[in-house]
Amino acid sequence: DSGVTQTPKHLITATGQRVTLRCSPRSGDLSVYWYQQSLDQGLQFLIQYYNGEERAKGNILERFSAQQFPDLHSELNLSSLELGDSALYFCASSDRRTTGELFFGEGSRLTVL
Amino acid sequence: AQSVTQPDIHITVSEGASLELRCNYSYGATPYLFWYVQSPGQGLQLLLKYFSGDTLVQGIKGFEAEFKRSQSSFNLRKPSVHWSDAAEYFCAVSISNFGNEKLTFGTGTRLTIIP
Repeated sequence: DSGVTQTPKHLITATGQRVTLRCSPRSGDLSVYWYQQSLDQGLQFLIQYYNGEERAKGNILERFSAQQFPDLHSELNLSSLELGDSALYFCASSDRRTTGELFFGEGSRLTVL
Repeated sequence: AQSVTQPDIHITVSEGASLELRCNYSYGATPYLFWYVQSPGQGLQLLLKYFSGDTLVQGIKGFEAEFKRSQSSFNLRKPSVHWSDAAEYFCAVSISNFGNEKLTFGTGTRLTIIP
């Protein structure tokens, strides 16, 4: 158990819909990262938040957005969903004392039909 | 920008045999290097990491990796694999500017263990 909690574990929805994925980082970790894992793209970094502020942005579509709340949990919002958005979305958190090491949740599997 | 190459998409090894998974990175300086493992239906778990110092690093589950600067490689090894080692293995690199530990992952190597 990494200590990172993601909900929901599985989600099935239709094209054009909007979903929210939630992540609770390990206790005390200030950084939260979102990754997308798909068969054709592999593991792609989407976005990072540090203590509530956006710190780095990767290959995140404009239809996607994220935020980190004062209690440090994070949400990834995916809107106007397309079939190609079907993927496993991972959240990870990190601690400045363990430089570079990320602790991953078990992921949220999104299926868009 | 940094990049990671894992040239082997799928490797099959007999239980008890030795294992080496290849990883090459591209970065101007010495990056921070990691190996993660992903079991079916699970998140990624850190096996080991290299920051500096001894180029041979030991990890969990009996894995080790060797950093070779001249070859820009960080290959993962295990002397004797167990059936439970069947999983997907990812090499990753970070330039690890404090507060920005974004990892860049390779495409992964799927390991199959045969009896």
